[in-house]
Amino acid sequence: QVQLQESGPGLVKPSQTLSLTCTVSGGSISSGSYYWSWIRQPAGKGLEWIGRIYTSGSTNYNPSLKSRVTISVDTSKNQFSLKLSSVTAADTAVYYCAREMEPPSFGMFDYWGQGTLVTVSS
Amino acid sequence: EIVLTQSPATLSLSPGERATLSCRASQSVSSYLAWYQQKPGQAPRLLIYDASNRATGIPARFSGSGSGTDFTLTISSLEPEDFAVYYCQQRSNWPPAFGQGTRLEIK
Repeated sequence: QVQLQESGPGLVKPSQTLSLTCTVSGGSISSGSYYWSWIRQPAGKGLEWIGRIYTSGSTNYNPSLKSRVTISVDTSKNQFSLKLSSVTAADTAVYYCAREMEPPSFGMFDYWGQGTLVTVSS
Repeated sequence: EIVLTQSPATLSLSPGERATLSCRASQSVSSYLAWYQQKPGQAPRLLIYDASNRATGIPARFSGSGSGTDFTLTISSLEPEDFAVYYCQQRSNWPPAFGQGTRLEIK
């Protein structure tokens, strides 16, 4: 059974860079044809897809965040990571990592991490 | 950008009743729609993908239907553990996007 676990600082200062890592266990991040995504949810609000990465390193980002987002992968550690620059209070949210289903049902998320709360505050 | 509108915002029902949740897309998403359940403090859980396919381990009381712009999630007989927030999500147009959610509460 695949498991995902987010890790990283829970508090980030405004204008700084938010950095999170997702560790995948129960299987190799490189096996299959999976994309690995980051999704966030402000308190009491809905879900926003941030971006995704394939194990080849190919990425796609939400246009609304593209200028500030970088997602990378480290297959040797079975991890992928999120960096979000120039954060403001609006970036305060629970951040989830998730696995997309394989084609043809890509773009739907069948495994999720438990989520990690990141607060942007000085 | 495709907008998903879920209705009602809140649905109050009793255990054993039938729940019908709606998701309407601003333009056709074909059958590229998923439903998720989220309980407080937990990650979303995939229930239905490609409009009508139950995800692994999802009970048969959950069913999805629809195509194009109008979709429905039906819970045939509510169990106490079904009271939660439900989200629809499309992946027809990039980026993937979620509806605002329907809260299913105990009456």
